[in-house]
Amino acid sequence: GAVVSQHPSWVICKSGTSVKIECRSLDFQATTMFWYRQFPKQSLMLMATSNEGSKATYEQGVEKDKFLINHASLTLSTLTVTSAHPEDSSFYICSARGTSGVGYNEQFFGPGTRLTVL
Amino acid sequence: QKEVEQDPGPLSVPEGAIVSLNCTYSNSAFQYFMWYRQYSRKGPELLMYTYSSGNKEDGRFTAQVDKSSKYISLFIRDSQPSDSATYLCAMSARGGNKLTFGTGTQLKVEL
Repeated sequence: GAVVSQHPSWVICKSGTSVKIECRSLDFQATTMFWYRQFPKQSLMLMATSNEGSKATYEQGVEKDKFLINHASLTLSTLTVTSAHPEDSSFYICSARGTSGVGYNEQFFGPGTRLTVL
Repeated sequence: QKEVEQDPGPLSVPEGAIVSLNCTYSNSAFQYFMWYRQYSRKGPELLMYTYSSGNKEDGRFTAQVDKSSKYISLFIRDSQPSDSATYLCAMSARGGNKLTFGTGTQLKVEL
C-alpha cells in the first residue's frame, strides 16, 4: 500500500513552453500533497503544500505564478511549470499524506520527474 | 546554520559492516523523525519513522533519536551492496506536515 505515482518520469522541453506533471496516490486518499525540487547532489527542497480543494501554500522564494499547483481530487495533484527556462531544469518529486489508515501522518513519495529545459 | 546537518559522505564500507548514519538539528520543535533511502534518479523511500525520543528497530535497521542532544542516528547491520544509496534524514514539528531534510549521505557497500 501507500503507492504514489508521477507522470511523466522525464520530460525535455524548449525554453518558454509549459510543462505539466501529475502526481497520483494510487491506493489511498491524500488530503495533502507536497511538491519538492531536488538539484543534483542536493537535498529535497519543499516548494509548496497543496490541500485538496484549496489553494496551495508556497514556500518563501517560490513563484506561485510560475509553478501552478492544482489539487482537484483526493488522489491527484498537478504541478505546471509555466514558461520554463533552463534554470528550471531539476528533479521534481511529489509526496502524499493520507487521510486515515495507510499514509496518515506520513509522507509517501513518488518516483520523481526529471525536467530538462533546453 | 542549516536546520538539519548531515554529512554528505560518500561513505564506503565492506559488505557485512555495521553502518552508522547521523543527523543533527537545531529546531527543538521537531517531534517526528524519518529516514529515507533514495536510489539514483528515484524518489525517496521511507525506511524508518520515529516519534519523539527512543529507539526503533525494523529488521537490519535501527533508528535512534536523542532529543536532548538534537541528534538522530540510523544503524544498518549486515550491510549489503543493495544498501548502496543516498540516505536522507527528515524531520517535522507535526506529523505528516512540512518535512525538513538533511542533505543526504551517500553510502556505498562494496563486495
